[in-house]
Amino acid sequence: HLQLQQSGPGLVKPSDTLSLTCSVSGGSISSSSFYWGWLRQPPGRSLEWLGSVFYTGTTSYNQSLESRLTISIDTSKNQFSLRLNSVTAADTAIYYCSRHGDIVAVPAESGWFDPWGQGTSVTVSS
Amino acid sequence: DIVMTQSPDSLSVSLGERATINCKSSQSLLYRSNNKNYLAWYQQKPGQPPKLLIYWASTRESGVPDRFSGGGSGTDFTLTISSLRAEDVAVYYCQQYYSRPPRTFGQGTKLEIK
Repeated sequence: HLQLQQSGPGLVKPSDTLSLTCSVSGGSISSSSFYWGWLRQPPGRSLEWLGSVFYTGTTSYNQSLESRLTISIDTSKNQFSLRLNSVTAADTAIYYCSRHGDIVAVPAESGWFDPWGQGTSVTVSS
Repeated sequence: DIVMTQSPDSLSVSLGERATINCKSSQSLLYRSNNKNYLAWYQQKPGQPPKLLIYWASTRESGVPDRFSGGGSGTDFTLTISSLRAEDVAVYYCQQYYSRPPRTFGQGTKLEIK
């Protein structure tokens, strides 16, 4: 079955760039049926969708982060990545990768998130 | 953006009793062309990622026990656990996938044993 494995540092300095990677196993990231997304959860708070990428490289971002966020995909490695620039303490959170259905159509078929990566706890601190 | 509001924020229920969590959206999640409600429910246990329980407001994900059920339509939805078990202690979230991005989640409901 499909599994998502996250990797990346747990500590990032203010103003630096946060970089995380999600490796997909048990299935192809090149499926035309799914998008691959990143979400985060600040301590004690709810979930926030950050952005997603399609296997073609097409992306969709949360407007609140769009100026600082880049999500990319490497189909040869079956993985996708997140880069968040100019981080501050407000970016401290658990970051998750996940798969979901269409994000362009309104309404979106299969728009739920499943499965999820294990999560990466990221602290922004000097 | 569609705002998702859950109630209550926390809930204490005795083992074997029914637990009901509510989720209200700021606009309808019902697409009349196919009569589907674009809402999902998740369960998150401490230290774990969220787990998909229900989609299309009432369709259980494979492997989810049948004591979990989803209901409602339009703007008002419920997640019901018919007979609470100790392993159901978790935070539960609703999520809409009707609108253009961003996909949005409720603030969560913490379910505990009384």
